[in-house]
Amino acid sequence: GENVEQHPSTLSVQEGDSAVIKCTYSDSASNYFPWYKQELGKGPQLIIDIRSNVGEKKDQRIAVTLNKTAKHFSLHITETQPEDSAVYFCAARGSFGNEKLTFGTGTRLTIIP
Amino acid sequence: DAGVIQSPRHEVTEMGQEVTLRCKLISGHNSLFWYRQTMMRGLELLIYFNNNVPIDDSGMPEDRFSAKMPNASFSTLKIQPSEPRDSAVYFCASSSGQGRPGANVLTFGAGSRLTVL
Repeated sequence: GENVEQHPSTLSVQEGDSAVIKCTYSDSASNYFPWYKQELGKGPQLIIDIRSNVGEKKDQRIAVTLNKTAKHFSLHITETQPEDSAVYFCAARGSFGNEKLTFGTGTRLTIIP
Repeated sequence: DAGVIQSPRHEVTEMGQEVTLRCKLISGHNSLFWYRQTMMRGLELLIYFNNNVPIDDSGMPEDRFSAKMPNASFSTLKIQPSEPRDSAVYFCASSSGQGRPGANVLTFGAGSRLTVL
């Protein structure tokens, strides 16, 4: 089955700086890669996603890049703010017809004011 | 829409007791997922349903766990008998399924935190 690895497990950045979280996946047939943000006491919430026919996608301060050849994708947050502090999860969906999402182990991001 | 609704939000029980967690899907969604979250193992998929039919239950730990969808909008996850190692946050998530607008976008509930003493 699919295996998703995520790094780093913890990340601290100064407010205003950029944060980058990286993930790799094992199933070359995977075609959907979402990122979720989880705040304390809440369920994960989708913040951005990318599909395998696109190399990069941006939504205001967040962007995701995908390298299918290398089987890795990254989340970029620019101009970080205190409210960006949370746990972030990457995920990958396997071959078409399989709705199962496999999640990475999470990155705890702390924004230092 | 109120989103995915889970109950109870918190449950504390003793080893050996039966636990039932409940989930109401978002109206119009037809896929339902149960995940378990622990510090050690992260987010693990236990089982998912499509149109009320279990599609993949390979993540269900053992026979003590069972999940049902008695109708298109509701699901239960039952643990009987419960054990301390079952302590975790259990999330339910739903999506609109393949071929529909927003397909594969999982919307999670707030979770049910289970503590088995």
